[in-house]
This record gives sequence, structure tokens and C-alpha cells, in this order.
Amino acid sequence: GAGVSQTPSNKVTEKGKYVELRCDPISGHTALYWYRQSLGQGPEFLIYFQGTGAADDSGLPNDRFFAVRPEGSVSTLKIQRTERGDSAMYLCASSLNGGKPEAFFGQGTRLTVV
Amino acid sequence: AQSVSQHNHHVILSEAASLELGCNYSYGGTVNLFWYVQYPGQHLQLLLKYFSGDPLVKGIKGFEAEFIKSKFSFNLRKPSVQWSDTAEYFCAVKAAGNKLTFGGGTRVLVKP
Repeated sequence: GAGVSQTPSNKVTEKGKYVELRCDPISGHTALYWYRQSLGQGPEFLIYFQGTGAADDSGLPNDRFFAVRPEGSVSTLKIQRTERGDSAMYLCASSLNGGKPEAFFGQGTRLTVV
Repeated sequence: AQSVSQHNHHVILSEAASLELGCNYSYGGTVNLFWYVQYPGQHLQLLLKYFSGDPLVKGIKGFEAEFIKSKFSFNLRKPSVQWSDTAEYFCAVKAAGNKLTFGGGTRVLVKP
């Protein structure tokens, strides 16, 4: 595709529910990143994929957060038992490969947990 | 762990004024440095980047940044801003590993 696509653009969910956020990277980009941005702050790293494997998941805040990229393209960020503190903008980015760090960002998914 | 500090949270200036946004990072090794911009309602876009070579980097829309290794700084500059430069600006560093570490951002408002 022309750019990184994230769906949905907005998601409102109730506390305790499960949510999935989808990222479709730029075609041919092997590296994919998830970041979380809270209001008034810069993006914070969550997880990085090189191909299908999670090369660095050190930013995932706890075991309620999980991400997959089964075919090395689309990725899904999964959050179990959502909490109000999970409310944030979730950003996805992709780059040609991990050695080319110039990352292209999607529009983000704004998650609100009520 | 690396960290990035942006000194100004909000900057207000008039059109044609000069802009300088500070960025300092904490990491002693080799770094790649970036400035991203987020216009209202839009996604993060790359403004400019430094990998190696000439420490004065020119980006899009008349922006430039200077890498000063001894000061661990990568300040962003524009000699004459326009109303359309109203946005939030983020400095980011890639050190060890492939993740970017971002600063907290600076909101710039340019008055027409």
C-alpha cells in the first residue's frame, strides 16, 4: 500500500474487555514497530518485529499485551482485560528492514477504555 | 537505557521569526538521530535524519538540524517560520537495537 494503515482509527471498549488493533505496513517492509503515545507525551516503544518474529518485545508493559505477525506482513496488537490506563494512541510503523531505521508511521488507533 | 529530552514543551512565535528546538540525548555510543513532525490531525512524518557524515543536516520545508556529539545534542532550526509550521515536533534517537526513543515533544504555534 501507499502508507502504513491502521484499523480501527478509534476504538472505545469497556474495562475488562479484549481488543485487537491491526496494522498493515508498507508493502515490502520487513520491520514493523508498535508504539504507544499517551496524551502530552512522545511515543513509547512496545515491540519490534523483523519478519514474523518479535525481535524485541521489551516495551510491552505486562502480559496483557501481545502482538503477532504470522505472515510477516500484517500485525495485530492484542490487549486482554483492558484497563483505563491502557487508553492511548497506538502507533504502528514500518521500515524497509531493521538496519534501515527510517520508520514510516500510520495514523494510529485511539483506544479509549471506559 | 537511552533517553531523549526536549527542553521546550510549548513555543509560540510569529510568522517570519526564527525557530530553534532543543534536543539532548543520553547515550555514549553511535546513534542515529531524527526529527519527526506531526501536523494537526495527521500522522508522524519524518522531517530529517542524521546517520553519519556532515553534522549539519538539511530536511524538508527549510528545516535543518545540527548534531553536536560533544553536547549530545541535535537541535532543530528554521530561519523563518510560516503559519503552516504549526505542529508538534518530536526528536528521536536510535541507539542500540532497532527501536526509536522519542522525546516528549514540543508544540509549536505560529501566529499569522
